[in-house]
Amino acid sequence: QQQVKQSPQSLIVQKGGISIINCAYENTAFDYFPWYQQFPGKGPALLIAIRPDVSEKKEGRFTISFNKSAKQFSLHIMDSQPGDSATYFCAASILPRGGADGLTFGKGTHLIIQP
Amino acid sequence: DTGVSQDPRHKITKRGQNVTFRCDPISEHNRLYWYRQTLGQGPEFLTYFQNEAQLEKSRLLSDRFSAERPKGSFSTLEIQRTEQGDSAMYLCASSQGGGLYTDTQYFGPGTRLTVL
Repeated sequence: QQQVKQSPQSLIVQKGGISIINCAYENTAFDYFPWYQQFPGKGPALLIAIRPDVSEKKEGRFTISFNKSAKQFSLHIMDSQPGDSATYFCAASILPRGGADGLTFGKGTHLIIQP
Repeated sequence: DTGVSQDPRHKITKRGQNVTFRCDPISEHNRLYWYRQTLGQGPEFLTYFQNEAQLEKSRLLSDRFSAERPKGSFSTLEIQRTEQGDSAMYLCASSQGGGLYTDTQYFGPGTRLTVL
């Protein structure tokens, strides 16, 4: 059972453009939604995270938009740069059990920023 | 380096052999997680420790998989009688825990297992 569905599977964006990755979840008990960035040969690294009590969170060029009623959330990367080329994963978990179920990840989006 | 470390980084073994991986979490973190990541997929949660207590192990893939964290510091993941389907990246993560609004998990570089 795939509890977090991520799209698109791959994405090509021109330098300076906006990259948008979408995720949908099924388990309404999820209340913590992080995005991770992974480079080849490395472990995932946290980019930004959101709780469902806010609809948007921005950190630098990265913004999460959250729609609780639709059970969807998305990552926007503004002014995309070649160094942003990586695989991005959305994830979900349950707090305040402290993430006891671990993170449930989407399948990932392979992002390529063309110079 | 004060991040999560894993050893070995790569392991090649023959089918039927046992393998053990080690994870050293960030020193002040009391939570430790194990994940498996296959090619083209997101990490899949396996098990979780709060200090030395294994609080969730129902997601371990089979009874061939086991994990320990004997003193609440480093952890080991053992796979017995390896199968070719066990070939994957095994990731460890740690978090500080205790937060009501966030609990960032920091991942190590992973151990790449290849079963021949």
